[in-house]
Amino acid sequence: GENVEQHPSTLSVQEGDSAVIKCTYSDSASNYFPWYKQELGKGPQLIIDIRSNVGEKKDQRIAVTLNKTAKHFSLHITETQPEDSAVYFCAAGGGADGLTFGKGTHLIIQP
Amino acid sequence: EAQVTQNPRYLITVTGKKLTVTCSQNMNHEYMSWYRQDPGLGLRQIYYSMNVEVTDKGDVPEGYKVSRKEKRNFPLILESPSPNQTSLYFCASSLGREVYEQYFGPGTRLTVT
Repeated sequence: GENVEQHPSTLSVQEGDSAVIKCTYSDSASNYFPWYKQELGKGPQLIIDIRSNVGEKKDQRIAVTLNKTAKHFSLHITETQPEDSAVYFCAAGGGADGLTFGKGTHLIIQP
Repeated sequence: EAQVTQNPRYLITVTGKKLTVTCSQNMNHEYMSWYRQDPGLGLRQIYYSMNVEVTDKGDVPEGYKVSRKEKRNFPLILESPSPNQTSLYFCASSLGREVYEQYFGPGTRLTVT
């Protein structure tokens, strides 16, 4: 089955700086790579996703890049703000096997 | 408002006392699933359902049961809870198991003493 590794487990950045979270996956058949944000006391919520026929996708301050050859994808958050503080999960999958989630990254935005 | 609801949100119980956590969605989604979230382990799938009366095991199904008698509801049953089932549980739904956004409920924090 799919195995997703996510790094780092904790990331602390100064407000206004950029944050990058990286994930690798093992199954070359995976074709869907979403990112979820989990705020304190809430369930995860999709913030951006990318499919295997696209190398990069951007939505305002967040972007995701995908390198299918190397089997890794990354989340980039620019101009970080206090409301970006949360736990972020990457996932990989597609097809009948569903999604496999990474272990999460706790992003802390320092004022 | 499109949403997934779970009840109860918090539950403290004792070893061996059967309990049910309810999950309901109002989006007419075919696919529903249960996850548990533990520190350092991320989200692990317990069971999923592709449609009414169709359920299957996820990665960590031991000690849990589910049923899907109606499209909107997907309860999680712990027949004899044990302390290692103390966790944060999430129900989720989506259009299908493949490349679709999953909508998560608010979570149920379960403590088994």
